[in-house]
Amino acid sequence: GDSVTQMEGPVTLSEEAFLTINCTYTATGYPSLFWYVQYPGEGLQLLLKATKADDKGSNKGFEATYRKETTSFHLEKGSVQVSDSAVYFCALSDRGNSGGYQKVTFGIGTKLQVIP
Amino acid sequence: GAGVSQSPSNKVTEKGKDVELRCDPISGHTALYWYRQRLGQGLEFLIYFQGNSAPDKSGLPSDRFSAERTGESVSTLTIQRTQQEDSAVYLCASSPFRGMDTEAFFGQGTRLTVV
Repeated sequence: GDSVTQMEGPVTLSEEAFLTINCTYTATGYPSLFWYVQYPGEGLQLLLKATKADDKGSNKGFEATYRKETTSFHLEKGSVQVSDSAVYFCALSDRGNSGGYQKVTFGIGTKLQVIP
Repeated sequence: GAGVSQSPSNKVTEKGKDVELRCDPISGHTALYWYRQRLGQGLEFLIYFQGNSAPDKSGLPSDRFSAERTGESVSTLTIQRTQQEDSAVYLCASSPFRGMDTEAFFGQGTRLTVV
């Protein structure tokens, strides 16, 4: 079945540091890939997405590139801010070989804490 | 409504009681998911509905948990004989049946506390 593996947190960085949160996936079909973010006290919201190999999703300074050869979708940001402190979830939506639509599968989440 | 609506937002119940959680998905969204998020932990998949297809119940942790959805409308998650380990935030999400980018839209969740 489908699965998403992401690095365990918490990750603690100083402001303006470079961020990488690793995510790899296993899927039977042709997945779309997502990063969701959950800020403290708020609900999950989509951060960025990529729907095919070599696509790069980007938003709010965050980027992730869909790497089919390594089945990865690592999240990066060049300079983090205190306001980026949140839990980040990698996810995939797999259409399957039949082209049908299947559920969204989430990783366990990685907590990021950025200190001034 | 504009987004996924869940009710109640908070529920405190005594151990052994039954509880029912409600989710109103975004209108027109055919897929609906329930997840559980325990304190400090990740998302735990519970159940998935897609249109009129048989639901994927593979994530339900025990037979005390059940969920229903009529067509593409409201869903209810029922927990019978609640236990303290059921305490968590229960999240509902819906997604549209379109294209490749089947992203999920989440509600604010129901915080369940079993005392």
